[in-house]
Amino acid sequence: AQSVAQPEDQVNVAEGNPLTVKCTYSVSGNPYLFWYVQYPNRGLQFLLKYITGDNLVKGSYGFEAEFNKSQTSFHLKKPSALVSDSALYFCAVRDRGGKLIFGQGTELSVKP
Amino acid sequence: SQTIHQWPATLVQPVGSPLSLECTVEGTSNPNLYWYRQAAGRGLQLLFYSVGIGQISSEVPQNLSASRPQDRQFILSSKKLLLSDSGFYLCAWSVFTGPSPLHFGNGTRLTVT
Repeated sequence: AQSVAQPEDQVNVAEGNPLTVKCTYSVSGNPYLFWYVQYPNRGLQFLLKYITGDNLVKGSYGFEAEFNKSQTSFHLKKPSALVSDSALYFCAVRDRGGKLIFGQGTELSVKP
Repeated sequence: SQTIHQWPATLVQPVGSPLSLECTVEGTSNPNLYWYRQAAGRGLQLLFYSVGIGQISSEVPQNLSASRPQDRQFILSSKKLLLSDSGFYLCAWSVFTGPSPLHFGNGTRLTVT
């Protein structure tokens, strides 16, 4: 069965520092991987996806993610964090039926 | 462009009362539609998904049901709410083909008292 894991419940970063939010996956076949962000009491916003091709995927708001097949990881990154990046981040994998399977989420806190 | 509307934004209902949450999508045809529930501000649980009118798949047995009376309308219902039905309900859509992302509505915060 397809699954994703986000090993960190919370990540704390100082504004201006690089940030990484970790995600590992378990799939059979080629993975379709996604990152979403959720602000309080709002729906999820799509950030980026990996389907195939270049292992470094660029997305919205300056975020990017690195796909690593050997480590089965898809970590979200940003070179310089903003206070406004503070939110809940979800990694997800799409299964063959088109459903998204989400990780448990990582709370990102960026302090000024 | 495509948009998704979900209402109401918040709802407080007593135990045993019925529920109807509505979701509509504009700007696309024959979308896949999904209902997710988010409990305790974290984990997302897929409740139902639909690939066409009248076609509903349930992921978990529960007190809820879903219907798709029109191509771009998805309704989540309950005949009698339980306390455990409280949560944040999210509707989403995706195009029918390909590994496309899901696009979410703004959610409904349901509190059962």
